[in-house]
Amino acid sequence: GAGVSQSPSNKVTEKGKDVELRCDPISGHTALYWYRQSLGQGLEFLIYFQGNSAPDKSGLPSDRFSAERTGGSVSTLTIQRTQQEDSAVYLCASSPTGTSVVDTQYFGPGTRLTVL
Amino acid sequence: KQEVTQIPAALSVPEGENLVLNCSFTDSAIYNLQWFRQDPGKGLTSLLLIQSSQREQTSGRLNASLDKSSGRSTLYIAASQPGDSATYLCAVGGSTLGRLYFGRGTQLTVWP
Repeated sequence: GAGVSQSPSNKVTEKGKDVELRCDPISGHTALYWYRQSLGQGLEFLIYFQGNSAPDKSGLPSDRFSAERTGGSVSTLTIQRTQQEDSAVYLCASSPTGTSVVDTQYFGPGTRLTVL
Repeated sequence: KQEVTQIPAALSVPEGENLVLNCSFTDSAIYNLQWFRQDPGKGLTSLLLIQSSQREQTSGRLNASLDKSSGRSTLYIAASQPGDSATYLCAVGGSTLGRLYFGRGTQLTVWP
């Protein structure tokens, strides 16, 4: 079946602009996660959705970052007034329940964001 | 805060060698540990998941062990092949379900 998809695959923007990144999880997966991977850094957790609710958004680095999920499916990560330090690969993952110790997270290919 | 460390950062070996990749974590209150593979420009692929109550998991040429009390896991790759070349990431699930904490990875190159 179809895996996790993300769009766009690449995004180049100017400092100060707003950007929206989209994630389509695997159909039927209840849990959805956003991470980012900066050059030379490990994956950094941003936010976790259980259905349309976000029980853990403690990883969002500033109030310029927000995310929503609608219909228990598609999620959008929005970054307002982008800064150069926001440049990174943004990865989305989904898992069947988010409430099981045997839940595996399935990752999308990522969106590479470059802020000039 | 959970910290995950992977050693070595990079490894280059000839085909056919048996390999051990190491992962350590600072907080033993985890619910599982996962090993992922990341190919350049692509997302992550799950290789093995070990529940906190388990000691090891095997899949084909891969074997992962977990010693929760000492905060360590190893990924053993038998008879390495050039197709195994990738970055291997270790991730632990924290005390509550949801987020994973990742190490920075081991970049593996297997040459023919």
